[in-house]
Amino acid sequence: ETGVTQSPTHLIKTRGQQVTLRCSSQSGHNTVSWYQQALGQGPQFIFQYYREEENGRGNFPPRFSGLQFPNYSSELNVNALELDDSALYLCASSHPGQGPFEQYFGPGTRLTVT
Amino acid sequence: AQTVTQSQPEMSVQEAETVTLSCTYDTSESDYYLFWYKQPPSRQMILVIRQEAYKQQNATENRFSVNFQKAAKSFSLKISDSQLGDAAMYFCAYRSARGAQKLVFGQGTRLTINP
Repeated sequence: ETGVTQSPTHLIKTRGQQVTLRCSSQSGHNTVSWYQQALGQGPQFIFQYYREEENGRGNFPPRFSGLQFPNYSSELNVNALELDDSALYLCASSHPGQGPFEQYFGPGTRLTVT
Repeated sequence: AQTVTQSQPEMSVQEAETVTLSCTYDTSESDYYLFWYKQPPSRQMILVIRQEAYKQQNATENRFSVNFQKAAKSFSLKISDSQLGDAAMYFCAYRSARGAQKLVFGQGTRLTINP
């Protein structure tokens, strides 16, 4: 157990809909990253939030957006869902002050777009 | 942009034997970190071992050790005395020492342990 939780566990949506995924960081961690893991692939970096500000983004379109709240929990929002958005979405929390190494991953949300 | 390549989609090993998983990466940076993560069927990504690029000494964590060849941009993972619980997907990952804590992952190697 890493102390990072995600909800929901599974989700089925229809193409064109919008979805919100949630992540609760490990206590005291002020940095959260989101990754998309397509079936049989390695995770791909979507973006990162530090103290409620986006401070890094991967090669994902603007319809992927996020929020980080004062308690450092986080949301990933995806608008206008496409079939290719079907994937496992992972969040990872970290605290730069505790060293540059550890990112603690949650168990992920499996999103299926039909 | 940095890339990470794992050329072995699948590997298998007998219980108690030793197995080595390969990873190569491409970067123009000199300061970075390398990681091996394990993802069991439960999906939760777990850090196995890490290596700082400025350190020449190879990292070890109990039965897990790495062979870090900076000039060759190679970072292999050796698992000794393989156990059934080691069965999982293993991902090699790169992180720059600058900027956001973005991990660049390889495609993964599925490790099977034969009893």
